Amino acid sequence: AQSVSQHNHHVILSEAASLELGCNYSYGGTVNLFWYVQYPGQHLQLLLKYFSGDPLVKGIKGFEAEFIKSKFSFNLRKPSVQWSDTAEYFCAVNAHGGSQGNLIFGKGTKLSVKP
Amino acid sequence: DAGITQSPRHKVTETGTPVTLRCHQTENHRYMYWYRQDPGHGLRLIHYSYGVKDTDKGEVSDGYSVSRSKTEDFLLTLESATSSQTSVYFCAISESGDRQETQYFGPGTRLLVL
Repeated sequence: AQSVSQHNHHVILSEAASLELGCNYSYGGTVNLFWYVQYPGQHLQLLLKYFSGDPLVKGIKGFEAEFIKSKFSFNLRKPSVQWSDTAEYFCAVNAHGGSQGNLIFGKGTKLSVKP
Repeated sequence: DAGITQSPRHKVTETGTPVTLRCHQTENHRYMYWYRQDPGHGLRLIHYSYGVKDTDKGEVSDGYSVSRSKTEDFLLTLESATSSQTSVYFCAISESGDRQETQYFGPGTRLLVL
């Protein structure tokens, strides 16, 4: 079965620090990859997604992610975090061969940014 | 933001009572989804719909049923609520269900089963 692992449960950073959140998936075929963000008390919003082409994907609010097929990874990065980036971040995978439209989510990583 | 509303936004109920949650969209998207979000589990798919009266089970469908009689409405029913169904429920939509598509999420319903 497909699965998504987010290894960091809670990350605490100071403003201006660099961020990298790990995401690994278990599926050997073609995948579509997503990062969603959930600000406190709000619904999930798409940060960025990858389905083909350049493995370095740029999203909103200065976030980017790199798809490394050989490592089954899709890590999220931001060079300099702000207090407003405090949120929970979810990696999700939609694998070809799986149910149509069925996103598999990781358990999420909470990011706390100290001002 | 995508035009998705969920009702009610908060509900407290007792074990054994039926509960229906409603998701309403104004985007005319074909696919609609119900997820539950629990600490330490992320989001898990309960049921989804790929058209009027067309639904299928997700990962955690036991104890839940769904119905879609109109394109814009997708109902999630807990026939007899249990404490293990205390959760935050999110509805999502996507236009055609293509795997590359973004799913757009509603604001969520917090359900507490006592």
